[in-house]
Amino acid sequence: DAGVIQSPRHEVTEMGQEVTLRCKPISGHNSLFWYRQTMMRGLELLIYFNNNVPIDDSGMPEDRFSAKMPNASFSTLKIQPSEPRDSAVYFCASSLVRGGYLDTQYFGPGTRLTVL
Amino acid sequence: TQLLEQSPQFLSIQEGENLTVYCNSSSVFSSLQWYRQEPGEGPVLLVTVVTGGEVKKLKRLTFQFGDARKDSSLHITAAQPGDTGLYLCAGPMYSGGGADGLTFGKGTHLIIQP
Repeated sequence: DAGVIQSPRHEVTEMGQEVTLRCKPISGHNSLFWYRQTMMRGLELLIYFNNNVPIDDSGMPEDRFSAKMPNASFSTLKIQPSEPRDSAVYFCASSLVRGGYLDTQYFGPGTRLTVL
Repeated sequence: TQLLEQSPQFLSIQEGENLTVYCNSSSVFSSLQWYRQEPGEGPVLLVTVVTGGEVKKLKRLTFQFGDARKDSSLHITAAQPGDTGLYLCAGPMYSGGGADGLTFGKGTHLIIQP
């Protein structure tokens, strides 16, 4: 079974441009998470969805960031306009949440974003 | 949001040595997880500890959850170059579990030299 798929794997863009990151979770999983990793701040949760519904977006840094999950097999994270400080590795993870305890999250390989 | 602090931040040792890395918080966690991340890849779950005082073993890796559920440790016996990586501890963002985002420590960068 394929794991979490993210695209693109690398993105280099110029400040002010729109960036869209894509994620396909593991089939059958009902929760999807977007994280950002930097050397300074480590791995931070941005937003997560349960059954395609956003549950908590308090980690989204600014209004420039938005995320959608139109169906159970696809999610996007959009940055518009992008800024150099957005440069980081963005991870998508999915999980089958059965309730009551911490379930395993399966991470994709990440998208390395560089904003010049 | 509950915070997790990991130590040491960096550790470089020789093959065959033993080591312990730590994950501490001032908050109580319902459970904690340990992940290992290799360069260019996402974190991979190693273990979940749920009960205070719990000890779990995974080959040469021993994980312990503190009695008060505020801390955890990872002990590696006879480290091998394949153990090299970033070790992250994580807990549920809020006091609950289930459909909860994770809060991560900043990790311990471990290098095992042949």
